[in-house]
Amino acid sequence: QLQLQESGSGLVKPSQTLSLTCAVSGGSISSGGYSWSWIRQPPGKGLEWIGYIYHSGSTYYNPSLKSRVTISVDRSKNQFSLKLSSVTAADTAVYYCARGASFGLAFDPWGQGTLVSVSS
Amino acid sequence: EIVMTQSPATLSVSPGERATLSCRASQSVSSNLAWYQQNPGQAPRLLIYGASTRATGIPARFSGSGSGTEFTLTISSLQSEDFAVYYCQQYNNWPTFGQGTKVEIK
Repeated sequence: QLQLQESGSGLVKPSQTLSLTCAVSGGSISSGGYSWSWIRQPPGKGLEWIGYIYHSGSTYYNPSLKSRVTISVDRSKNQFSLKLSSVTAADTAVYYCARGASFGLAFDPWGQGTLVSVSS
Repeated sequence: EIVMTQSPATLSVSPGERATLSCRASQSVSSNLAWYQQNPGQAPRLLIYGASTRATGIPARFSGSGSGTEFTLTISSLQSEDFAVYYCQQYNNWPTFGQGTKVEIK
């Protein structure tokens, strides 16, 4: 059973870079046909897709965040990572990692999520 | 950006009754539409993809319909564990989500 687990700093200062990692277990991140995404949810609000990476390393980002986002993959550790630069309070959210289906970007499964707060 | 609009924002339903949730896309997304359920403090769970295909392990009381710009999620007989927030999401273009419909106990 595929499982995803987010980890990283829970508190980031304004203007700094948010860094998170998603560890994948129960399956290989190099399995063909799947993408690996980051999605966030501000407290009490809806969901926003941040971007995805394929096992090949190709990426695609939400145009509204593209200038600040980098997603990378470490196949040797079976994990992928998110960096979001120049954060502000508006970036405070629960950050989820999720697998995109082979047929398109429907997400299953999801990690449990990790809260990142941006505050000085 | 394709904007997804869900209605109603809140739906009050008694256990055992039928719930009908709506989702509208600002432009056609074909059948590239998914539904998720989210309980408090938990990650969303995929219920439906391809507008009408239930994900693995999802009970038959959940059904999805529609194509193009109009979609519906129906829960035929609400169980206690179904009271949650539901999101639609299109993946015809870069993914966008609706704002959610909260299904609460009447």
